[in-house]
Amino acid sequence: QITLKESGPTLLKRTQTLTLTCTVSGFSLTNPGVGVGWIRQPPGKALEWIALIYWDDDKRYSPSLERRLTITKDTAKNQVVLTKTNVDPADTATYYCAHRQTDSYGRVGPFDIWGQGTMVTVSS
Amino acid sequence: EIVVTQSPGALSLSPGERATLSCRASQSVDSTYLGWYQHKPGQAPRLLMYGSSNRATGIPDRFSGSGSGTDFTLTISRLEPEDSAVYYCQHYGNSPYTFGQGTKLEIK
Repeated sequence: QITLKESGPTLLKRTQTLTLTCTVSGFSLTNPGVGVGWIRQPPGKALEWIALIYWDDDKRYSPSLERRLTITKDTAKNQVVLTKTNVDPADTATYYCAHRQTDSYGRVGPFDIWGQGTMVTVSS
Repeated sequence: EIVVTQSPGALSLSPGERATLSCRASQSVDSTYLGWYQHKPGQAPRLLMYGSSNRATGIPDRFSGSGSGTDFTLTISRLEPEDSAVYYCQHYGNSPYTFGQGTKLEIK
């Protein structure tokens, strides 16, 4: 059974650095085709995809956030880490990590399994 | 970047009725990479449909998807009270994997 669980600080101040961890189980971050993404949802707003890392360390970022984002993985710990520098109140959101899989034909799949999310508040 | 627009923004229907939710992309999308999610307050989003018309594991056949090019539709027939949620479409083929702004479905 695949599960993902997000963890990180609940409260930050403007200009600080946010570090979020996604701990996964039921699959390996080195399995060919595996990807783990981060998606956030500000209060009362829509889902927003922000970053993704693949089993081969290929990375993708939202263009509007790329300059302040870094996504990495620690395969020994089964963790994916998202770092965002210089946060501001607009980064207040629930942050989710989610699993995706590319099939043997090279077709990427949707985000099929999600964590429960972690709420982060950034104060001014 | 593909912009995804959903309509209507909100919908209020009665149990047993049919809901039709629309998703429009700013440029043509391979239907292989169009998905729908259901999101209830306090819960993780749940994958409903992938490849435009394929139901995810455990999704009842009351849910169906269709479309191609720039226009896609999620249909929920025989609405039940537990279908009350926000529904998002997403294209997930090429980065950035943008979501629509969501359709809030209320079951009266």
